[in-house]
Amino acid sequence: DAKTTQPPSMDCAEGRAANLPCNHSTISGNEYVYWYRQIHSQGPQYIIHGLKNNETNEMASLIITEDRKSSTLILPHATLRDTAVYYCIVRALFGNEKLTFGTGTRLTIIP
Amino acid sequence: NAGVTQTPKFRILKIGQSMTLQCTQDMNHNYMYWYRQDPGMGLKLIYYSVGAGITDKGEVPNGYNVSRSTTEDFPLRLELAAPSQTSVYFCASRDPPSVNEQFFGPGTRLTVL
Repeated sequence: DAKTTQPPSMDCAEGRAANLPCNHSTISGNEYVYWYRQIHSQGPQYIIHGLKNNETNEMASLIITEDRKSSTLILPHATLRDTAVYYCIVRALFGNEKLTFGTGTRLTIIP
Repeated sequence: NAGVTQTPKFRILKIGQSMTLQCTQDMNHNYMYWYRQDPGMGLKLIYYSVGAGITDKGEVPNGYNVSRSTTEDFPLRLELAAPSQTSVYFCASRDPPSVNEQFFGPGTRLTVL
């Protein structure tokens, strides 16, 4: 699986958009980008995934660059409940079952 | 649906003791997983199962055993507990061939002294 690089921590003001970057320069053509988050030692929660097109759901938006070497998770109106560790994961849809969780980005929403 | 449930929530073991961490899901998912998370680190895959009667090793299987006799249950067994197994253990499941959205349980915090 491709390795990902994320900043260790970020702050964001409540109500503003939180933009979390992820570099995955060695991503392969069949690998998807997944985002999970973990709130205060709870089990991780799936947020969104994408292959090459931008994606949006009720939780977030995912912007993937045209060369697919990086992506950005956008939480459009951050709330205090969005304070969590966010993990960017790259893996193929089929085959290797391992989800490689790095150390993620600790996002703190400031009131 | 209760989703993925894990028992116990907390446990303290002495070195050399054994125990079983229980995991049950009520979503009829074929794929189930066990992860461990050490303080300040990401999750590491211990074992996984793609269906009843089928299990396979993940990244860090040493010191653990699993079984999968039913679709719902995927217990994790520690035979001879060691301090290095102090961690938080998460169970997860998913329903292939979906997009690999894994549903996680609340975790079991295990301390080995």
